Amino acid sequence: DAGVIQSPRHEVTEMGQEVTLRCKPISGHNSLFWYRQTMMRGLELLIYFNNNVPIDDSGMPEDRFSAKMPNASFSTLKIQPSEPRDSAVYFCASSLGDRLTLLTYEQYFGPGTRLTVT
Amino acid sequence: QQPVQSPQAVILREGEDAVINCSSSKALYSVHWYRQKHGEAPVFLMILLKGGEQMRHEKISASFNEKKQQSSLYLTASQLSYSGTYFCGTEFGGGADGLTFGKGTHLIIQP
Repeated sequence: DAGVIQSPRHEVTEMGQEVTLRCKPISGHNSLFWYRQTMMRGLELLIYFNNNVPIDDSGMPEDRFSAKMPNASFSTLKIQPSEPRDSAVYFCASSLGDRLTLLTYEQYFGPGTRLTVT
Repeated sequence: QQPVQSPQAVILREGEDAVINCSSSKALYSVHWYRQKHGEAPVFLMILLKGGEQMRHEKISASFNEKKQQSSLYLTASQLSYSGTYFCGTEFGGGADGLTFGKGTHLIIQP
């Protein structure tokens, strides 16, 4: 399997611009997670989906952030408008976890998107 | 609700042992351990489940004390490849909840 795929790997944009990050989870995984990592705040959970449904978005910092999962093989994280403080590495992860059975499994992380907002 | 990891950093000689601790103020369903090397994504090491057994991955093992809401990661006879930052990720509800990660423990192994 190719693992979790994220694009782009690097993004440099100017303040005020719209940024869209993309993620393709591992085939067969039904849970998808978006995390953000910075030196100051560490690794933070932003939002996660189970069977394409958003379960908890309480980690999304502001209304400027939105995420969608239109199907089992694709998710996007959008920032509009972007600000310099959004600069971070954004990771997407997926797992087999099932909310009905409460079974939990390891999360596989994608390579990340390094976002720089100037 | 962020778990507290200790120590923040460890420097070892190759072959020495280390223990990394993770404590939570909230009851845990599971604890996940990851290792991240600079510029790379976190890589899964092991999961400790409530009521489960101590886990082992090569010369790395971990335990989970549910009553104390703590987990410890044990690195035995450390190798150069063990260098990196270790994160514990805590899950409160089970069934693919997102993880709340600690700030990490930086481990440096010297030859």
